[in-house]
Amino acid sequence: SAVISQKPSRDICQRGTSLTIQCQVDSQVTMMFWYRQQPGQSLTLIATANQGSEATYESGFVIDKFPISRPNLTFSTLTVSNMSPEDSSIYLCSVEVERTPTALYQETQYFGPGTRLLVL
Amino acid sequence: ILNVEQSPQSLHVQEGDSTNFTCSFPSSNFYALHWYRWETAKSPEALFVMTLNGDEKKKGRISATLNTKEGYSYLYIKGSQPEDSATYLCACFMNYGGSQGNLIFGKGTKLSVKP
Repeated sequence: SAVISQKPSRDICQRGTSLTIQCQVDSQVTMMFWYRQQPGQSLTLIATANQGSEATYESGFVIDKFPISRPNLTFSTLTVSNMSPEDSSIYLCSVEVERTPTALYQETQYFGPGTRLLVL
Repeated sequence: ILNVEQSPQSLHVQEGDSTNFTCSFPSSNFYALHWYRWETAKSPEALFVMTLNGDEKKKGRISATLNTKEGYSYLYIKGSQPEDSATYLCACFMNYGGSQGNLIFGKGTKLSVKP
């Protein structure tokens, strides 16, 4: 398993500003992901954070809006840029400790407690 | 459209009641079904991963079944306790559009257990 912390736990921001969310894991992990949950919606994958290279973004999400860093195997950041009220969501970091290429669909993801963001 | 649907959206039960809820998913291109429990202000916690048709998993008072042919999973809680109050999420691992595959989540079922 893995223990994941996120900072900040919550924030209220003005539109047009940016917020960087940090995700720290207590051990080295293979995979790190960023999700968001907008009010009343499903948890949705934003991107996979790749160590030492550019993140892999899902359809509908772009690097200019959600730049991601992953400098090592235990830490990642997600920035929500030029925020608007539509960005108000819970943002979660998750990890897979290891990934077996032939059975990656069975890997358990461990989640952080989330960052609750309200944009005014 | 890759939709994972959960019902009901919310559920209120009395302590001691048994309850169940449903997750439905596209049966084609199915790889695995994950159940998570998410308590308010805490991290989502993994409950089960199921892959085989007819699979049943159990963890204490909570159990789950899987039907991959018709595309649904049931989660059962026997003798609900107030500490079972949480949102229960199901997620289907799907491989689509040339990607390596990802978890597609439902909106969850919010369970409230009254003492």
